[in-house]
Amino acid sequence: EIVLTQSPGTLSLSPGERATLSCRASQSVSSSYLAWFQQKPGQAPRLLIYGASSRATGIPDRFSGSGSGTDFSLTISRLEPEDFAVYYCQQYGSSPPLTFGGGTKVEIK
Amino acid sequence: QVQLVESGGGVVQPGGSLRLSCAASGFTFSKFGMHWVRQAPGRGLEWVAFIWYDGSSKYYADSVKGRCTISRDNSQNTLYLQINSLRPEDTAVYYCASRTSNYYMAVWGTGTTVTVSS
Repeated sequence: EIVLTQSPGTLSLSPGERATLSCRASQSVSSSYLAWFQQKPGQAPRLLIYGASSRATGIPDRFSGSGSGTDFSLTISRLEPEDFAVYYCQQYGSSPPLTFGGGTKVEIK
Repeated sequence: QVQLVESGGGVVQPGGSLRLSCAASGFTFSKFGMHWVRQAPGRGLEWVAFIWYDGSSKYYADSVKGRCTISRDNSQNTLYLQINSLRPEDTAVYYCASRTSNYYMAVWGTGTTVTVSS
């Protein structure tokens, strides 16, 4: 099973600042089957990025994903008030199991 | 629009059973694999189970293997999760999610809450 480690645990930033979130895998993630989700309190997760770098439908272009192998990142170029949330990375593929990272909370400084 | 709506959660005593449902609409349910994912209070996301589009293959997390059964009724556009021998650590919000042809989870339901407590 692939273990995903997200860092930092919490990121304290101001609106307008740039956020960079990291996700490191215990072994190589095949075909860049790496996704990022955003979750706000009381809501279901929302898909942001799949295939490590492809934005899901309706996701603003201030969100971008990059990386391959074992190191991946999510960048939010300029934080908007609605971007303060918890972000999870996830590795997936043609067959389970799937695993999630522990999450990074982006909070208002 | 694409929608997933879970139901069947509630408060149950340890050792009890529950069957969760996930009603799908707005897409051709019978063409897509489906997942269950759960989230314990204040914790992260945990994948629970997956079923192929036609129900022919099923996969489970080690934490629920032997206690959970995932199934689907494509004629009713509904996904199920039967959980037996419930434990306090099964307390969580349970989400269903659809899998695209490129394997990622595209759409999630709003979740149903399971509380295991005496």
